[in-house]
Amino acid sequence: NAGVTQTPKFRVLKTGQSMTLLCAQDMNHEYMYWYRQDPGMGLRLIHYSVGEGTTAKGEVPDGYNVSRLKKQNFLLGLESAAPSQTSVYFCASGAGGQFNYGYTFGSGTRLTVV
Amino acid sequence: AQSVTQLDSHVSVSEGTPVLLRCNYSSSYSPSLFWYVQHPNKGLQLLLKYTSAATLVKGINGFEAEFKKSETSFHLTKPSAHMSDAAEYFCVVRLTGTASKLTFGTGTRLQVTL
Repeated sequence: NAGVTQTPKFRVLKTGQSMTLLCAQDMNHEYMYWYRQDPGMGLRLIHYSVGEGTTAKGEVPDGYNVSRLKKQNFLLGLESAAPSQTSVYFCASGAGGQFNYGYTFGSGTRLTVV
Repeated sequence: AQSVTQLDSHVSVSEGTPVLLRCNYSSSYSPSLFWYVQHPNKGLQLLLKYTSAATLVKGINGFEAEFKKSETSFHLTKPSAHMSDAAEYFCVVRLTGTASKLTFGTGTRLQVTL
C-alpha cells in the first residue's frame, strides 16, 4: 500500500521556469493538501481540496496553482518560479469527516529555485 | 482563530533523561491536537493525537502528552530519551470546519547527547 506518493523528490529550477508537482494517494481520501516547509516556520498550507474538482486557497497561495481533476491526484503548479519558492513541499491526504483524524503525508519534494 | 505555539525552538537532553517539549494552543472550541515527528530529511510521522477522549494520550516510541484545558497546553513527554529521538517535533491543531485543515507550530528541534 503506497499511501501518498510525491514526484519528483528533488528539483532545481531557474527563476521564471515552471513546473508541476504531483501528489497521488491510493486510500480513496476525499481531502488533499499542499504544504510548504521552511526553517523556523513549520508547515504552512498552500492550497487544499475537499473533493474531486474542488480547490481552495490556504495560508500562502500566491505564486501557486492547483488542480484536482481526479480524486486520487492533487497537482501543485508553479507558473513562474521565484527564489522565495525554494522550500520543501509536502502533500497530505485525509478521509475527512468530523470524527476522522487520520492524515497521511508524502515524503516531500525538495525544490530549489536559483 | 485556532493556533499552536511551541515554546522552545531547540531542546537538548542527555540520553536517558526525561524529555519535555512544550505546546500551548489557542482555540474557541475543544480542539483536536496532534504531535508529529520529522527525522532529518524524512517525512512526517504521527506520534499521537488528542480527540476529546482521555486527556492523557499515549503514542508511539514511549511518548505521551497530556491535554490540560485550564492551562491550554498539550506538552509532549518521554521518561527516558534515546539517541534515535533526535528529530524535529511539531505540535499541530486541527481546525474546525469542513476542510479539516491542520495548523502547525513552528517546531522544536530535539537534540540528544551522550
